[in-house]
Amino acid sequence: GAGVSQSPRYKVAKRGQDVALRCDPISGHVSLFWYQQALGQGPEFLTYFQNEAQLDKSGLPSDRFFAERPEGSVSTLKIQRTQQEDSAVYLCASSPGTGLGNEQFFGPGTRLTVL
Amino acid sequence: QKEVEQNSGPLSVPEGAIASLNCTYSDRGSQSFFWYRQYSGKSPELIMFIYSNGDKEDGRFTAQLNKASQYVSLLIRDSQPSDSATYLCAELVEGNKLVFGAGTILRVKS
Repeated sequence: GAGVSQSPRYKVAKRGQDVALRCDPISGHVSLFWYQQALGQGPEFLTYFQNEAQLDKSGLPSDRFFAERPEGSVSTLKIQRTQQEDSAVYLCASSPGTGLGNEQFFGPGTRLTVL
Repeated sequence: QKEVEQNSGPLSVPEGAIASLNCTYSDRGSQSFFWYRQYSGKSPELIMFIYSNGDKEDGRFTAQLNKASQYVSLLIRDSQPSDSATYLCAELVEGNKLVFGAGTILRVKS
């Protein structure tokens, strides 16, 4: 698999449940990003990792959202006590480095529906 | 709050015509801009990036940047039905994150 992969592709949760979304970036990519895309909107930044360090989490909507990348590769986005407004597509992207010329490659996304 | 604005469309053009997609941004200090294409139910894929004033051409696509007017555009020549998608404009801001517009829906009619 040469691209970014995400699992699960679809997740239905009851309000109040915890969910965990996984992202496998392209091998060797230093940077990893999580975005949230609501229906009919562009992706919105959630958080950014450079290797295992979480350098920016300014986009996380509340303290119910938590992300980690403990070994600098796979990342998990966890949402606790899900709410209906959390329903969206969660996109993961990775890039080889930082700055200009480092294209962000997006995974297929996880569509989360909170009932 | 940095903002990127796009007309949501839909923009309808006949097959073979030029499609012109536009985007404005609020931060005068922004340097780098990206155009992504997103098919329904799929992830965004990069078409072009531009960071110098003027035009940048790649095949049927031309990106234009005017920093004085804070304006970015994407021209698609010889539009094909397969170009029908949502086109997302994004700027790269500090921390290497992308700020996206809401996207413009393009429909190319055969």
